[in-house]
Amino acid sequence: EAGVAQSPRYKIIEKRQSVAFWCNPISGHATLYWYQQILGQGPKLLIQFQNNGVVDDSQLPKDRFSAERLKGVDSTLKIQPAKLEDSAVYLCASSPLGGGRETQYFGPGTRLLVL
Amino acid sequence: EDQVTQSPEALRLQEGESSSLNCSYTVSGLRGLFWYRQDPGKGPEFLFTLYSAGEEKEKERLKATLTKKESFLHITAPKPEDSATYLCAVQAGGFKTIFGAGTRLFVKA
Repeated sequence: EAGVAQSPRYKIIEKRQSVAFWCNPISGHATLYWYQQILGQGPKLLIQFQNNGVVDDSQLPKDRFSAERLKGVDSTLKIQPAKLEDSAVYLCASSPLGGGRETQYFGPGTRLLVL
Repeated sequence: EDQVTQSPEALRLQEGESSSLNCSYTVSGLRGLFWYRQDPGKGPEFLFTLYSAGEEKEKERLKATLTKKESFLHITAPKPEDSATYLCAVQAGGFKTIFGAGTRLFVKA
């Protein structure tokens, strides 16, 4: 079974530029998560989708971050404009149903450096 | 406020020296507690899920236990390949997943 795919793996941009990350979850998984992991910290949930609807985006900085999951499969997370403090690893995860108590399966992450 | 705290922040062991990692939590309506392993440059890898106090699960040299306030990850006779960051996460009543900051484990041969 193929795992969660993410691209790109690394990205370096200057502040105020825009960047987009892509995630393809495990086939058949209804729920998709985007996390931000700053160096030395645990992952922080940014947004959770169930199929193509948003379940939780309470920690997403909506003035600069946006995410979509068209057709309930793959997803894109965008930052516009980027700030220095956005430097982090952006992790995508998926789970079969998302009704709680489910294991989340993580992709390798996208490492973003904002200069 | 829901919170997850892991201790110690870092742990250095000699090969074969058993120890425990702690995850304490304060959440309303625990639905599940998860342990993950994260190697440098990789995403977290699932280890265990615990659902209720008193539950225990084992896998090779690892054993996870759960009480009403905390979870322990016991590592028996660790090997250098067990070196990694171990993350604890809880799912509360609103289905939101909250991660701790992790414990970085170093096992020296």
